[in-house]
Amino acid sequence: AQSVTQLDSQVPVFEEAPVELRCNYSSSVSVYLFWYVQYPNQGLQLLLKYLSGSTLVKGINGFEAEFNKSQTSFHLRKPSVHISDTAEYFCAVGGRGSQGNLIFGKGTKLSVKP
Amino acid sequence: GAGVSQSPRYKVAKRGQDVALRCDPISGHVSLFWYQQALGQGPEFLTYFQNEAQLDKSGLPSDRFFAERPEGSVSTLKIQRTQQEDSAVYLCASSFRDQPQHFGDGTRLSIL
Repeated sequence: AQSVTQLDSQVPVFEEAPVELRCNYSSSVSVYLFWYVQYPNQGLQLLLKYLSGSTLVKGINGFEAEFNKSQTSFHLRKPSVHISDTAEYFCAVGGRGSQGNLIFGKGTKLSVKP
Repeated sequence: GAGVSQSPRYKVAKRGQDVALRCDPISGHVSLFWYQQALGQGPEFLTYFQNEAQLDKSGLPSDRFFAERPEGSVSTLKIQRTQQEDSAVYLCASSFRDQPQHFGDGTRLSIL
């Protein structure tokens, strides 16, 4: 069975500071890993994905994540956040193949303060 | 359309009523997924279609939940005899082959 743990439910940070949102996963098979962002009253928007290859993945809006197989982690980072980054962030794991329903973590609410 | 479209955006129903939620996937996307997102939680998988075939319905919480996609495009999620615990946001996503899923804005269902 697959599972995702997002270690922080809320992360407050000041504008222009760096941020790291933590994600650990559990799976007995090779997986795809994703980070999605959800703004209030909206659906989920894909930030970035890891399928294979380079363990450092760059996404939209200046975000990046590093896949660490030995630590089963996929932490999300941004060197300098903006007020507009305030949102909820979800880490997800999906099995390989076309039947890739996603298993999501409980989310981390990022609040960027001026 | 350009994105996944869900309707209605908000639905209020009395306990015991039946509801139907619609999802219009991105044109050409063969895979369609339904998820349920309770307040303060991550989305949880309900069911998966490939074209018109429902290949996985393991996440449907009870036999009151039913989903269909008869022509392989638009999908409807139906909930019969709604209960308060059905209150949640229902998200639809579609994808092309192994590409990442694109999500709609969801339907917020409130059961009174």
